[in-house]
Amino acid sequence: KNEVEQSPQNLTAQEGEFITINCSYSVGISALHWLQQHPGGGIVSLFMLSSGKKKHGRLIATINIQEKHSSLHITASHPRDSAVYICAVPDSNYQLIWGAGTKLIIKP
Amino acid sequence: NAGVTQTPKFQVLKTGQSMTLQCAQDMNHEYMSWYRQDPGMGLRLIHYSVGAGITDQGEVPNGYNVSRSTTEDFPLRLLSAAPSQTSVYFCASSWSPSSVLRGTGELFFGEGSRLTVL
Repeated sequence: KNEVEQSPQNLTAQEGEFITINCSYSVGISALHWLQQHPGGGIVSLFMLSSGKKKHGRLIATINIQEKHSSLHITASHPRDSAVYICAVPDSNYQLIWGAGTKLIIKP
Repeated sequence: NAGVTQTPKFQVLKTGQSMTLQCAQDMNHEYMSWYRQDPGMGLRLIHYSVGAGITDQGEVPNGYNVSRSTTEDFPLRLLSAAPSQTSVYFCASSWSPSSVLRGTGELFFGEGSRLTVL
């Protein structure tokens, strides 16, 4: 069983739809990272969460530490949101355990 | 502010050849790391460093060497390339390892290096 599982693996939606990507983990201590990998390959950090909820523009990330679950939401999705979204959880050795990613395609 | 700079972006090697992937950051970050990314898999940690002179192995260290003689640079060496090392390699840095652990330290990635070993 993977230690960090993301769902769905692939998601195709129409422009404007509300998007939810989930991340469940069985390891880790107290925080979770969400990152975005662009079609060109570059990876950027979106959120770092240790509790509750964070919002940045149309992106919202929530985490439930007790249930070891996090969600990434995108409101009013746009084709430029098409990317791979990755969650990662740090373990006690300062190493990040990575999910396999969710490939999102937003059609105009 | 250049962030994290990785070179080269593309490289083709023959089996048995050696090469070094360069990674430099100008943010005075303590924590630097190398990952490889293969199709259908999550990023896998190769080696990491929590400061100059300190390196440690990650999940998949075999076939790779690293050194951290300065805060800025963290090169990854392939001593004898094998086809199994065909992958995309990413260097990443953060302010400190504890910031990564607590979720308070943003990770900065290089643009990636696509390596093919024939």
